[in-house]
Amino acid sequence: GENVEQHPSTLSVQEGDSAVIKCTYSDSASNYFPWYKQELGKRPQLIIDIRSNVGEKKDQRIAVTLNKTAKHFSLHITETQPEDSAVYFCAAHGSSNTGKLIFGQGTTLQVKP
Amino acid sequence: GAGVSQSPSNKVTEKGKDVELRCDPISGHTALYWYRQSLGQGLEFLIYFQGNSAPDKSGLPSDRFSAERTGGSVSTLTIQRTQQEDSAVYLCASSVDRGQRELFFGEGSRLTVL
Repeated sequence: GENVEQHPSTLSVQEGDSAVIKCTYSDSASNYFPWYKQELGKRPQLIIDIRSNVGEKKDQRIAVTLNKTAKHFSLHITETQPEDSAVYFCAAHGSSNTGKLIFGQGTTLQVKP
Repeated sequence: GAGVSQSPSNKVTEKGKDVELRCDPISGHTALYWYRQSLGQGLEFLIYFQGNSAPDKSGLPSDRFSAERTGGSVSTLTIQRTQQEDSAVYLCASSVDRGQRELFFGEGSRLTVL
């Protein structure tokens, strides 16, 4: 079945530095890759997503890149701020026939002021 | 409008007891998911409902776990003969349809099995 691997499990950066989180997926039919942010004690919320017909998408300080050949995608956060501290989850959605969304194990990002 | 609602928010039970967790999705959302999040862990897929189609139960960890969705809306996750390893936060999420859409999560039901 579909499997999503996420690295690193924890990441600590200084405020203003960049952070990169990487994910790989197993199902070559996957065609939708969202990223969710979960602040402490809160529910996960979508922050950005990318579909298989594009290689990169940006939204202010966050960007996601996708390499379908290698089956990996990454989240890039620039100019990190303390409020970026949270757990980030990548996910992969299989072909339209399957419907389910499989998440990676999560990355705990700590931004030190 | 109202978001995804889950109840109870907290449940403490004794090993061997059955528990039911409820999820009210956003009105009009046809897709509904259950995930399990153990302490400090990721989001483990349990089950997925889409409209009137047969649910995808491939993530249920054992036959003690079951879920139903009545009338295409409210869903109930049932855990029979609970074990300590069932302790986790159970998250429900809904989305507009089966397609590649944003999932809206509930606050979760925290289950503690003593």
